[in-house]
Amino acid sequence: GQQLNQSPQSMFIQEGEDVSMNCTSSSIFNTWLWYKQDPGEGPVLLIALYKAGELTSNGRLTAQFGTTRKDSFLNISASIPSDVGIYFCAGHPPNNDMRFGAGTRLTVKP
Amino acid sequence: SQTIHQWPATLVQPVGSPLSLECTVEGTSNPNLYWYRQAAGRGLQLLFYSVGIGQISSEVPQNLSASRPQDRQFILSSKKLLLSDSGFYLCAWTLTGLYTEAFFGQGTRLTVV
Repeated sequence: GQQLNQSPQSMFIQEGEDVSMNCTSSSIFNTWLWYKQDPGEGPVLLIALYKAGELTSNGRLTAQFGTTRKDSFLNISASIPSDVGIYFCAGHPPNNDMRFGAGTRLTVKP
Repeated sequence: SQTIHQWPATLVQPVGSPLSLECTVEGTSNPNLYWYRQAAGRGLQLLFYSVGIGQISSEVPQNLSASRPQDRQFILSSKKLLLSDSGFYLCAWTLTGLYTEAFFGQGTRLTVV
């Protein structure tokens, strides 16, 4: 019930293309968080969402907290080579126990 | 500002040897502390978390243990490493309270040979 299903598992795109990935759950979440992990590094927080319907941007990144509280998406516009990495969604269900998605591995071809 | 330090960055250990990974947080008090393991190309598996000194909760029964001897210090240990203990280990912290973001260390790549 509190598992996060993140898709797609991997993406191969051309530089300049837009990217969209999402995370869903069968139960509600009170926060949604998006992290990026560069190879050999720890994940870094990109965007944090706290309210249903909230839409937040961070540069070329935009994320939304779904109105049903059971999903979130992350969009990256005009991708560049340094966008390469693994993107994780995470969230807090009502019991406050943070959960992570399995990650989306993004490859950007110049 | 808060920072988290994790070391060593890489470690190669023989099977059966002991392990000690250390994590410290600066710039905050009474953080919640976490150890995660990440297999190659996979997601994050929560191993242990701690809400205070000496308080450790284990998520997965395994060959590892954790300790929190000081407020901002979290240690991951093993008495005898197994090949299956290889992976990328991440320490993280959050503020106490509801629904707070996690901040991660740089990770330790452990290879058991």
